[in-house]
Amino acid sequence: NAGVTQTPKFRILKIGQSMTLQCTQDMNHNYMYWYRQDPGMGLKLIYYSVGAGITDKGEVPNGYNVSRSTTEDFPLRLELAAPSQTSVYFCASYMEGAKNYGYTFGSGTRLTVV
Amino acid sequence: QQQVKQSPQSLIVQKGGISIINCAYENTAFDYFPWYQQFPGKGPALLIAIRPDVSEKKEGRFTISFNKSAKQFSLHIMDSQPGDSATYFCAALIAALVFGKGTRLSVIA
Repeated sequence: NAGVTQTPKFRILKIGQSMTLQCTQDMNHNYMYWYRQDPGMGLKLIYYSVGAGITDKGEVPNGYNVSRSTTEDFPLRLELAAPSQTSVYFCASYMEGAKNYGYTFGSGTRLTVV
Repeated sequence: QQQVKQSPQSLIVQKGGISIINCAYENTAFDYFPWYQQFPGKGPALLIAIRPDVSEKKEGRFTISFNKSAKQFSLHIMDSQPGDSATYFCAALIAALVFGKGTRLSVIA
């Protein structure tokens, strides 16, 4: 039982490049989330999904896209990387109706855009 | 727009002391208030959580106090230990978790 797996762990991008941050969970959770964490700013929601085929914007969606074709996978796409997207990205999942409402987080992807 | 305000930003506590972190919110539609603990290089992990119909919840050395009328809640860590040194985030749930900015706790011997 791996929980939430994020790849890659680290990545350096040049301005204008694109990439996909991968997120996979093996807990059959229906809810999945992408957050970004900047120093001293907490975690801000980028996108979330309540099930396969359903996604919605969070607080800071500009510059990102997501898809949810399966329950397990929730990739985050950066099309034209900008320095403002330098951050640590966390994927999380949650099972609707779970007793403690606890999100399970991955270990993060540290992205630097230069 | 910061919906959950957390203080202090950083906190230094002596081993064995009490660590107190405070959060305030405005949106009365929030219906679940968890605290997360994060160690360097790791994702946040759920520590303890409370619903707004309860004024206090205790799990081991960790206690949440919740004041619905004041729209405030706090985390108390009793008998703080060096292993508690981490960043703590309060959060509130409406569709998805909204996080405070975090408190970096250092417990010194």
